[in-house]
Amino acid sequence: GAVVSQHPSRVICKSGTSVKIECRSLDFQATTMFWYRQFPKKSLMLMATSNEGSKATYEQGVEKDKFLINHASLTLSTLTVTSAHPEDSSFYICSAPEISGTTYNEQFFGPGTRLTVL
Amino acid sequence: EDKVVQSPLSLVVHEGDTVTLNCSYEVTNFRSLLWYKQEKKAPTFLFMLTSSGIEKKSGRLSSILDKKELSSILNITATQTGDSAIYLCAVVPFNSGGSNYKLTFGKGTLLTVNP
Repeated sequence: GAVVSQHPSRVICKSGTSVKIECRSLDFQATTMFWYRQFPKKSLMLMATSNEGSKATYEQGVEKDKFLINHASLTLSTLTVTSAHPEDSSFYICSAPEISGTTYNEQFFGPGTRLTVL
Repeated sequence: EDKVVQSPLSLVVHEGDTVTLNCSYEVTNFRSLLWYKQEKKAPTFLFMLTSSGIEKKSGRLSSILDKKELSSILNITATQTGDSAIYLCAVVPFNSGGSNYKLTFGKGTLLTVNP
């Protein structure tokens, strides 16, 4: 199946710094990608929809100035956690749907990024 | 707003037992329902169900969709300790706008299989 990569897989940073996480679709083009946040032993919470060539769509309660999303190309979306604080520590996962024409095939997930803010 | 409810939220069984996980949904313009298994990292895809009544099978796992009841079940027979994971159910709506292909997840079922 298709592959989605994320980088870095793990990051530890000091409070107040900004962290950028990359999500790439390796063998297919993704005009849409999704960013999720997950707390331990909990389900995935959708944060935002990343749209190539236009602004991201944020879910209710997610601060767009805090979590900046840029969909730079058909294979790359980035999530920047600005001025990170300890409460931003979490597991961040991206996904991309693989679509052929109008047929939705599957949604592929990246391996996730574990962010720890000290 | 689309909604997915999974039950039970957690389950502890012994190796060899059979388990049934449930997923019910409310979604406008249903496209598909997906099951994922998540261990330590990102979810791995198990099944995508689009048509009612057609069982999908992969080894000891099987799943079926009931569009009339707006639900799906995931069965695991002869469970093994390696089946211990969070099992996630998600629905995909059929929208014409920018929210196309957006998954709505349930809270997941945490399955623990003891030796």
